[in-house]
Amino acid sequence: DTEVTQTPKHLVMGMTNKKSLKCEQHMGHRAMYWYKQKAKKPPELMFVYSYEKLSINESVPSRFSPECPNSSLLNLHLHALQPEDSALYLCASSQLNRAPGELFFGEGSRLTVL
Amino acid sequence: RKEVEQDPGPFNVPEGATVAFNCTYSNSASQSFFWYRQDCRKEPKLLMSVYSSGNEDGRFTAQLNRASQYISLLIRDSKLSDSATYLCVVNGGTGGFKTIFGAGTRLFVKA
Repeated sequence: DTEVTQTPKHLVMGMTNKKSLKCEQHMGHRAMYWYKQKAKKPPELMFVYSYEKLSINESVPSRFSPECPNSSLLNLHLHALQPEDSALYLCASSQLNRAPGELFFGEGSRLTVL
Repeated sequence: RKEVEQDPGPFNVPEGATVAFNCTYSNSASQSFFWYRQDCRKEPKLLMSVYSSGNEDGRFTAQLNRASQYISLLIRDSKLSDSATYLCVVNGGTGGFKTIFGAGTRLFVKA
């Protein structure tokens, strides 16, 4: 069982909707990540938070808005998405005192934009 | 040039075969290297880290050549359960958090 929990597992939304994806970990990790994965493609880095501060934004459109309310939680707020944003959104976390790149992933939130 | 490039797949091998995957990376400042495994419609999971001296974990052996910016994964005595996509992962960049995945190589092990 994964120790990174993502909700919802599936989400269908219209282009005018506002929704949020949630991620939670209780491993004491201080780095948290959002990745986007399209079918038969590798995960693409979107955002990284370290110590609850945004460290990396990979030029993601503003219709995706990340938030890190505390060290255990990571949200991704969605607004005015496009059908091409349909994908699997993966949350991950990692320890800061180990080799960067040892990521623990949640099972993902599968998003469909109509 | 892509930051992380892997062998194109898929690889179709019989049980018991030895199979090798290769990967190259473009950023010479990269710090850490990994192989992840991803099953169909599942999340990626860390298979093993890759160290300069090479490392082994059971049937799996990983090698790193920093001079050539090349990483490899060898799987011996393939099992049906090894069927998955193998992702080469490289970390390096701002604050050490920029973790980039290769496109992955699909492995099918057949009875």
